[in-house]
Amino acid sequence: EPEVTQTPSHQVTQMGQEVILRCVPISNHLYFYWYRQILGQKVEFLVSFYNNEISEKSEIFDDQFSVERPDGSNFTLKIRSTKLEDSAMYFCASSQAGNIQYFGAGTRLSVL
Amino acid sequence: AQSVTQLGSHVSVSEGALVLLRCNYSSSVPPYLFWYVQYPNQGLQLLLKYTSAATLVKGINGFEAEFKKSETSFHLTKPSAHMRDAAEYFCAVSEDAGGTSYGKLTFGQGTILTVHP
Repeated sequence: EPEVTQTPSHQVTQMGQEVILRCVPISNHLYFYWYRQILGQKVEFLVSFYNNEISEKSEIFDDQFSVERPDGSNFTLKIRSTKLEDSAMYFCASSQAGNIQYFGAGTRLSVL
Repeated sequence: AQSVTQLGSHVSVSEGALVLLRCNYSSSVPPYLFWYVQYPNQGLQLLLKYTSAATLVKGINGFEAEFKKSETSFHLTKPSAHMRDAAEYFCAVSEDAGGTSYGKLTFGQGTILTVHP
């Protein structure tokens, strides 16, 4: 069964460093998403991406964040200068028609 | 704006007992509703979905949920709990993609289900 793949499973970084979280969505899907879950809190929407551009973003998704689909298969989330409060589990999801989303296993980001 | 409230952050049942996890939503348009399950150290797995067809929706692992518009509820049930059902369960709402939301999911805070032998 096709699945969404995220790498790495765990990323440790120093405050102020740039990180790139990688995702390979399901191959025939057209809508792509990033969510995050801070420990003990709700899963929160960050951004949606469709037709090679951001379609919607939340207040969390400020100028420190960016997304890219560089090669037609990968979908990346970049955080330019990480803060302690960026520590969370980041989930990538994809959808064929924007209604049913399939999630990856997540990348746990630890900012020290 | 859409929102989801899950009543009870922790639910504990005995093996073989009924499971009932509560979810209430608010949405400005007819919603799509979902239940996801998260096992320890894993991602979110879709359990079932309501997308404006039958109001009683059957999912995987014996779970089902009923959409009640008058109560703005989408409670998750399973007649008989198994030990393997122990996990965290998330209710989520989405507006129709193709509108302005592109399918953004808004999640509840999650309910941890514990199953005792």
